[in-house]
Amino acid sequence: DSGVTQTPKHLITATGQRVTLRCSPRSGDLSVYWYQQSLDQGLQFLIHYYNGEERAKGNILERFSAQQFPDLHSELNLSSLELGDSALYFCASSVGGGDAETQYFGPGTRLLVL
Amino acid sequence: QKEVEQDPGPLSVPEGAIVSLNCTYSNSAFQYFMWYRQYSRKGPELLMYTYSSGNKEDGRFTAQVDKSSKYISLFIRDSQPSDSATYLCAMGSQGNLIFGKGTKLSVKP
Repeated sequence: DSGVTQTPKHLITATGQRVTLRCSPRSGDLSVYWYQQSLDQGLQFLIHYYNGEERAKGNILERFSAQQFPDLHSELNLSSLELGDSALYFCASSVGGGDAETQYFGPGTRLLVL
Repeated sequence: QKEVEQDPGPLSVPEGAIVSLNCTYSNSAFQYFMWYRQYSRKGPELLMYTYSSGNKEDGRFTAQVDKSSKYISLFIRDSQPSDSATYLCAMGSQGNLIFGKGTKLSVKP
């Protein structure tokens, strides 16, 4: 158990809908990272927040947004969902916001868009 | 050319075998290199982390980085059935971590 929690574990929704995924980092960690994992693309970095502020952006679609709250938990919002958004979404956390931080991954949220 | 290439396998070996997992990369700016292990339906967990060219050993695991060839390897000695998982290489610079697609390993008793 990494200490990172993610809810919900599974989510089934329809195209065009909006969902929110939640992540609580390990105690003491200030950084939260979001990743998408699909069979064809592998694990893709989406976005990184450090202490409430956006630190880096990866391959995140405009339909997706995230934020990190004062209590350091983070939410990833996915809107206008498409079939291709079906994937595993992982959150990871690290102590600092530096370049080479060790990231600890949560168990993931499995999203299925029908 | 993709930034990080990793043979997806699957790779099946008998218990006790030495396993070699490899990744190649194209971006010479990558400064740090990692190996993650991911069990089915779980999140990735960090196995090894190296900054420079050379070898790093941790128990049965050895990570090797050759920056001149843009090639990294993970060796698993005396492989066990519990090592059956998908192994992901990852590398990065300036906060951006790029993952390989993973190699699925199965160690048969």
